[in-house]
Amino acid sequence: DAGVTQSPTHLIKTRGQQVTLRCSPKSGHDTVSWYQQALGQGPQFIFQYYEEEERQRGNFPDRFSGHQFPNYSSELNVNALLLGDSALYLCASSLGRVYNSPLHFGNGTRLTVT
Amino acid sequence: LAKTTQPISMDSYEGQEVNITCSHNNIATNDYITWYQQFPSQGPRFIIQGYKTKVTNEVASLFIPADRKSSTLSLPRVSLSDTAVYYCLVGDIYNSGNTPLVFGKGTRLSVIA
Repeated sequence: DAGVTQSPTHLIKTRGQQVTLRCSPKSGHDTVSWYQQALGQGPQFIFQYYEEEERQRGNFPDRFSGHQFPNYSSELNVNALLLGDSALYLCASSLGRVYNSPLHFGNGTRLTVT
Repeated sequence: LAKTTQPISMDSYEGQEVNITCSHNNIATNDYITWYQQFPSQGPRFIIQGYKTKVTNEVASLFIPADRKSSTLSLPRVSLSDTAVYYCLVGDIYNSGNTPLVFGKGTRLSVIA
């Protein structure tokens, strides 16, 4: 049973560029959440997708956008990259209709902006 | 969303029991408590979850007093491989996996041989 998979594992981009990160949820999960984790900090919530719609959003600018596909996989897009966007981007999946469904995280995409 | 407070770091010797306490004074009636473990360059991993009293699984125990204003994660007989960051979170029981769980800075546990 595959867990959460994310691609790519590492990425180097230049300031001002755009990036797309991908996530496949754990089998059977229908909800995907994205987090940004800076070095030495806890993960910060970006947004959550359920039934192909953005359900909730954290305190991130509109440069951060996402999408969820019918197969529940998801993409995170970041436009006009800033140096401060360098971080580990984590995807987590869960069951949208189950109480107390724990988050299952992938191992993230390490984004470096130069 | 209830805010949590944990010690920044803890040290322990191998074989000892480790107790990490989390304070969540503003926890709401509908909030449950979840603990995650994170190793370097990996995503957090679910450890245990509870609402009140005591919960035990094959990895850890979670103790929650009656007022639920704090909780304690207990790791029995830790080994070097338990060296990691441990996060305590609270979330709305009725919003389940749809709640944007708020992570703090966690507790960095270092296990020493």
